[in-house]
This record gives sequence, structure tokens and C-alpha cells, in this order.
Amino acid sequence: DQQVKQNSPSLSVQEGRISILNCDYTNSMFDYFLWYKKYPAEGPTFLISISSIKDKNEDGRFTVFLNKSAKHLSLHIVPSQPGDSAVYFCAASARSGGSNYKLTFGKGTLLTVNP
Amino acid sequence: NAGVTQTPKFQVLKTGQSMTLQCAQDMNHNSMYWYRQDPGMGLRLIYYSASEGTTDKGEVPNGYNVSRLNKREFSLRLESAAPSQTSVYFCASKYFGGQNTEAFFGQGTRLTVV
Repeated sequence: DQQVKQNSPSLSVQEGRISILNCDYTNSMFDYFLWYKKYPAEGPTFLISISSIKDKNEDGRFTVFLNKSAKHLSLHIVPSQPGDSAVYFCAASARSGGSNYKLTFGKGTLLTVNP
Repeated sequence: NAGVTQTPKFQVLKTGQSMTLQCAQDMNHNSMYWYRQDPGMGLRLIYYSASEGTTDKGEVPNGYNVSRLNKREFSLRLESAAPSQTSVYFCASKYFGGQNTEAFFGQGTRLTVV
């Protein structure tokens, strides 16, 4: 049972446009959500996070939106740059039941930003 | 600041051989993790150690064992490697102190079992 779902394996956008990456989750106990970026042959690097008490968090070109009622979050990148081309993973953790130690990841979305 | 260091970076094993993947972090984190990444499968948790002296199974623990040697080091052992364990392995660490924080990852170990 996949608790964190990224239904788009890939996304292609033009440089300067907006990239929107989506993520859905099923576990209502999740209360902290993160986005990681991964280049080939490197480890994932943390990009941005959001707590369930918020519905938006912004950091420069990156904004994460959380819709708790829909169990949906999205990452917006504006404007997109060729250097943003990477695999983006959505991750979630829960505060209770011992799961607060663990991050559950989606399968990732490959973003390609074309010059 | 090294962060999370994994060794080796690459390894080829024959079926049935054993090996240990090493991981060390210098950020004074109390929680450490081993994930594997396979094409189309994302990152799946193998084992984790919430704090020094404890280890627990994750999503895909079969065929693996772990040792939390001290606060800095967390090793992953394959006792009898199988081709299904061909994967990229990532170690991660994070501080857990009641508040949620991000995890930091190593560069990965690419393992091929032939």
C-alpha cells in the first residue's frame, strides 16, 4: 500500500515557465511533508518542507502548497531553470506511533527544464 | 563539514557473497536510516535506528541486517547477496528532538550482484 503517491513519472517544461509537481498521500497521520531533489549519481538533497498547520511555505523560487482535506501537496518552481532538471521526491512523516522517525517517500517525478 | 559519508561508492558482488556497507555522520544526529532506490520504486526504507542502541525494520528488511555501532555509525550487512539486492543504497540521518526536521543523505552506494 503506497502511502505517498507521485502519479506523474515525468514532467517537461520550458525555461522561465512554472513547474508544478504533485503529490498525494493516504495516511491522515502524516503531519510533516518534504520535497527532495536528486541529481544522477548523487544523494537526495532537501529542498523545502511544510508542516500540516500551514497551507503554504515559500523559499525563493520554490513554494509548497498543502491541501489537507484533499491529502494533496504540490511544489511550484517559478521561474524554472535548466539546473532544476532532476528527480523530485515527495516525502512525509507522522508525529505519533513511532512513525515520527521515518520518512515515507513517493516514487519521484523526473523534471526536465528545456532551454 | 562532511555530513553523511558512505563507503564504498561502488561494489560488485557475486551471488552468495557477503558485505557490509558503512555509513557515518558528523552532525550529531540521533536517528539514522538505510534506504534503497530502484527504478520506478522511489526510496524504500530498509532499516532505521531511532537512537543509539535501537534498530527497527523498515519496509523492505528481508536479506539485510544492521548495526548501530555508536551515535555516528550505522552499517548495513548483506549476509548472502542476491541479484534482487542490486540497487543504489542511501544512508541518511536526522535529528529527532520532538520537532520535525529534514533528513540528510549520503552520496549512495551502487551495488551490483551478479
